[in-house]
Amino acid sequence: NAGVTQTPKFQVLKTGQSMTLQCAQDMNHNSMYWYRQDPGMGLRLIYYSASEGTTDKGEVPNGYNVSRLNKREFSLRLESAAPSQTSVYFCASRTDRTDTQYFGPGTRLTVL
Amino acid sequence: RKEVEQDPGPFNVPEGATVAFNCTYSNSASQSFFWYRQDCRKEPKLLMSVYSSGNEDGRFTAQLNRASQYISLLIRDSKLSDSATYLCVVNGWGGGADGLTFGKGTHLIIQP
Repeated sequence: NAGVTQTPKFQVLKTGQSMTLQCAQDMNHNSMYWYRQDPGMGLRLIYYSASEGTTDKGEVPNGYNVSRLNKREFSLRLESAAPSQTSVYFCASRTDRTDTQYFGPGTRLTVL
Repeated sequence: RKEVEQDPGPFNVPEGATVAFNCTYSNSASQSFFWYRQDCRKEPKLLMSVYSSGNEDGRFTAQLNRASQYISLLIRDSKLSDSATYLCVVNGWGGGADGLTFGKGTHLIIQP
């Protein structure tokens, strides 16, 4: 039982490049989330998916798209990366019974 | 915007001392409350949920005051390994989302 996994762990992009961050969970959770964490800003919700086939915007969705590929996987795409998207990105999933969220190890993204 | 406010610290505390953090939240409709712990360059991990009656887990005690909308965390007999950032987390950030609102965290340093 690996919990929540994320790939890649680190990535450096040039402005305008695109990339997809991958997230998978093996806990059979319905809800999955993408957050970004910046110094002095705390964790902010980008997008979430309450169940397979549904996605909704969070607090800071601009510049991102998501895909809930199946129950296990929830990907985050940057179509045209900007330096303002330099951040640490965390994926999380939530048990249906409580609000407890379990986080992946994060992806450290730098956009030059 | 729903807010969760914490004193960022850092709190510098000698080993063996007792330390307490408070957190205030603005969403009076919130129903779930948590303390997460985040080590440097790692993902947040659930430390404990906070229940209305207060709850204790070993050296850690959490209290909830709904009338004043604050949550507290008490750490007794602090250990060097308790050094971390402690995140106050509240559910129900609004807009129909089932995500969590995170405080920016309180940084704790236990000194030998």
